[in-house]
Amino acid sequence: AQTVTQSQPEMSVQEAETVTLSCTYDTSESNYYLFWYKQPPSRQMILVIRQEAYKQQNATENRFSVNFQKAAKSFSLKISDSQLGDTAMYFCAFIHTGTASKLTFGTGTRLQVTL
Amino acid sequence: NAGVTQTPKFRILKIGQSMTLQCTQDMNHNYMYWYRQDPGMGLKLIYYSVGAGITDKGEVPNGYNVSRSTTEDFPLRLELAAPSQTSVYFCASSSPLGSYEQYFGPGTRLTVT
Repeated sequence: AQTVTQSQPEMSVQEAETVTLSCTYDTSESNYYLFWYKQPPSRQMILVIRQEAYKQQNATENRFSVNFQKAAKSFSLKISDSQLGDTAMYFCAFIHTGTASKLTFGTGTRLQVTL
Repeated sequence: NAGVTQTPKFRILKIGQSMTLQCTQDMNHNYMYWYRQDPGMGLKLIYYSVGAGITDKGEVPNGYNVSRSTTEDFPLRLELAAPSQTSVYFCASSSPLGSYEQYFGPGTRLTVT
């Protein structure tokens, strides 16, 4: 079974600074995707960024980028130029590219962006 | 294109009552899912479906039932509600082709007292 671990329950960053959220996962599969989802106070789940395991290049979406270390099973999220609107819960998630694609979530990191 | 819609947004149930949470998607996705999110936790899979007429249990199925008669709809039934079912429930859908991204509904906050 796959597991996803987020070891930072809460983090805080000042506006315009950079913050990195950690995620490790455990799987015996070789074909999978990794995701970071953002959940603001509205509780809507919003996809931030995805990474295909077969791609060596780290994914980037504007101010969001990942550091994907496949051998170490590590998938951290870097938020640059943090904005107040980045305040949210962030969930790391894993999915095996099988016939019934089920997401496994970590427990989340609550990020607070301050002035 | 509304994406994934869920009704109701909020509900309070008494212990032992039953209810159905509705979920509809308009993206013609084959895969649909029900998750629950307990306070301070990530989402856990209750049931999922890979197509009309096909459903299977996830990680926490006890106390719930589902059906999938159409591609669009995937209702979740709670029988004999218990306080342990107090949670936020999310429905999601995805296509078996492409990026495996799951699209989530806005959630239903359920309280059982």
